[in-house]
Amino acid sequence: AQSVSQHNHHVILSEAASLELGCNYSYGGTVNLFWYVQYPGQHLQLLLKYFSGDPLVKGIKGFEAEFIKSKFSFNLRKPSVQWSDTAEYFCAANNNAGNMLTFGGGTRLMVKP
Amino acid sequence: GAGVSQSPSNKVTEKGKDVELRCDPISGHTALYWYRQSLGQGLEFLIYFQGNSAPDKSGLPSDRFSAERTGGSVSTLTIQRTQQEDSAVYLCASSLFVSGGNEQFFGPGTRLTVL
Repeated sequence: AQSVSQHNHHVILSEAASLELGCNYSYGGTVNLFWYVQYPGQHLQLLLKYFSGDPLVKGIKGFEAEFIKSKFSFNLRKPSVQWSDTAEYFCAANNNAGNMLTFGGGTRLMVKP
Repeated sequence: GAGVSQSPSNKVTEKGKDVELRCDPISGHTALYWYRQSLGQGLEFLIYFQGNSAPDKSGLPSDRFSAERTGGSVSTLTIQRTQQEDSAVYLCASSLFVSGGNEQFFGPGTRLTVL
């Protein structure tokens, strides 16, 4: 069965700390991977996506993620977080048939000023 | 340009009543998706439309749930005889095409509370 798992449910960091959120997937065939963010009171927004090419993907607001096929992972990173990064982060996947996204359970990040 | 819009933003209903949730996708987007976000289940896929047709209804949790899309644009999700476990945020998303790499743009959601 297709699944996406996020290891950390809650993360608390101080400003300027480095961030790494884990994401693993189980998908047959070619997989496309996404990180979405949901800021408090706002709707889901795409941070970055991978579907082919360079496995190191850069997204908005200084985020990046690395696709490691051998580890079935797509971890999200940011070298220095800001208070404004406080949000819930969702890893998601689909395949080239498109249609549904399968989401991980989400990680709530709180950044203390 | 305008994003995905959903109405109502909040809906409180009594158990056993029917509800209709509406989604207006981004103009020109041929694919439309419904998801729901609940505390116990996280984000779950419900159904998607390619144009007006819904090739995959496997995500609908029961036969009380149905959805339609007309004119390749607006979609409504109908829940009949609502139950308390239907309480959730119902999210709509749209994308240019049904293709894996296409970004899905999400609306703000409809928060449904069944008393």
